[in-house]
Amino acid sequence: DTGVSQDPRHKITKRGQNVTFRCDPISEHNRLYWYRQTLGQGPEFLTYFQNEAQLEKSRLLSDRFSAERPKGSFSTLEIQRTEQGDSAMYLCASSLTQGWRSYEQYFGPGTRLTVT
Amino acid sequence: AQSVTQLGSHVSVSEGALVLLRCNYSSSVPPYLFWYVQYPNQGLQLLLKYTTGATLVKGINGFEAEFKKSETSFHLTKPSAHMSDAAEYFCAVSDSDYKLSFGAGTTVTVRA
Repeated sequence: DTGVSQDPRHKITKRGQNVTFRCDPISEHNRLYWYRQTLGQGPEFLTYFQNEAQLEKSRLLSDRFSAERPKGSFSTLEIQRTEQGDSAMYLCASSLTQGWRSYEQYFGPGTRLTVT
Repeated sequence: AQSVTQLGSHVSVSEGALVLLRCNYSSSVPPYLFWYVQYPNQGLQLLLKYTTGATLVKGINGFEAEFKKSETSFHLTKPSAHMSDAAEYFCAVSDSDYKLSFGAGTTVTVRA
């Protein structure tokens, strides 16, 4: 168990460019979550997957954002036409859900995005 | 909808003193409550959680929290602060879909 990993750890991009982040959850975890954390704030929920199905998207997730988890393992978060307001830490978390019971979420180290 | 309010964005304590971080929640369903710690440039680490059962919950690193339904509170305490406790602490509440709603966080500094 190597924990949740995220790549890259840091990304600097120019406004208008597209960026893609990757998250590798803990191997046996069937749920995967994306959160966004801006400076001085707590993380805010963006979206989550149960296996490969995307079950919910926050209103924070504009049309420029898309997330996938094609084989129920790793996930990608893409931001198209980045804006300065997209600058934030993007956190991924995973958990194991069995029936009605869900266990705690384990967080990755995050990807810090800076849009210049 | 669930929400969390953390009272005090910064707390400064002396080494060896009591650490008390306040958290109040709002939830339309019986809540699951969590405290996470975040060190600079790192992800969040779970300190402790309340789901059901005993209202006094013990976590890692000597932290504990008490769920008080009547006060809608879940305050975090540690009897004796250590320099390594300097970090940012987040209280969170979870709904039936298990997604977390976080408070704005409390930064703890520990004075030698």
